[in-house]
Amino acid sequence: DIQLTQSPSSLSASVGDRVTITCRAGQDISSYLNWYQQKPGNAPRLLISSASTLHSGVPSRFIGSGSATYFTLTISSLQPEDFATYFCQHSYTIPITFGGGTKVEIK
Amino acid sequence: QVQLVESGGDVVQPGGSLRLSCTASGFTFSDYVVHWVRQAPGKGPEWVALIWYDGNTKYYASSVKDRFTISRDNAKKTLYLQMNSLRVEDTALYYCARDSPPRAANYYFADWGQGTPVTVSS
Repeated sequence: DIQLTQSPSSLSASVGDRVTITCRAGQDISSYLNWYQQKPGNAPRLLISSASTLHSGVPSRFIGSGSATYFTLTISSLQPEDFATYFCQHSYTIPITFGGGTKVEIK
Repeated sequence: QVQLVESGGDVVQPGGSLRLSCTASGFTFSDYVVHWVRQAPGKGPEWVALIWYDGNTKYYASSVKDRFTISRDNAKKTLYLQMNSLRVEDTALYYCARDSPPRAANYYFADWGQGTPVTVSS
């Protein structure tokens, strides 16, 4: 199975801050990496697919980049509604796996 | 709009069985690959199984293989998960999720239901 390691596991930031979350894959997965946002009591929401493609309706402040084994999700200017937990997920092969998550909290 | 509504979650004893359902609306169900994804309390999501739009191809996580069976009825626009030999570690919120785009298997989850809870406990 392909292991995905996210860092940090949590962070504190202020509204307006630029925030970057990292996801490292245990092997080369090309650009088969997706990002989700999850708020308490809700299902995850797809933000970015194929490493950098913004999903429909997702604000442009969410930016995905990377390839092979190193990927980042950047929130260019953190908004109050962005405080949530973020997960990466690979779609390279079966089994599909998720990263451990990054909780973004208010500073 | 796309809607996925899960049902069938319950409290069951270890070794028991349960069948989950997911009813779809707002899109052509028979055109999409669909998945089951679960999330244990306080944990991240875990992919469980997927089934292609025609029902002919299925894949499972190793943790559920030979115990769970995914199936679909395109005429009823419904996805199923038959869960047998349930274990305490199967306790989770079970989501159905739609792949994207139609007639493709990209292995990501573009749309989700609200989940149905399964608790395995004696």
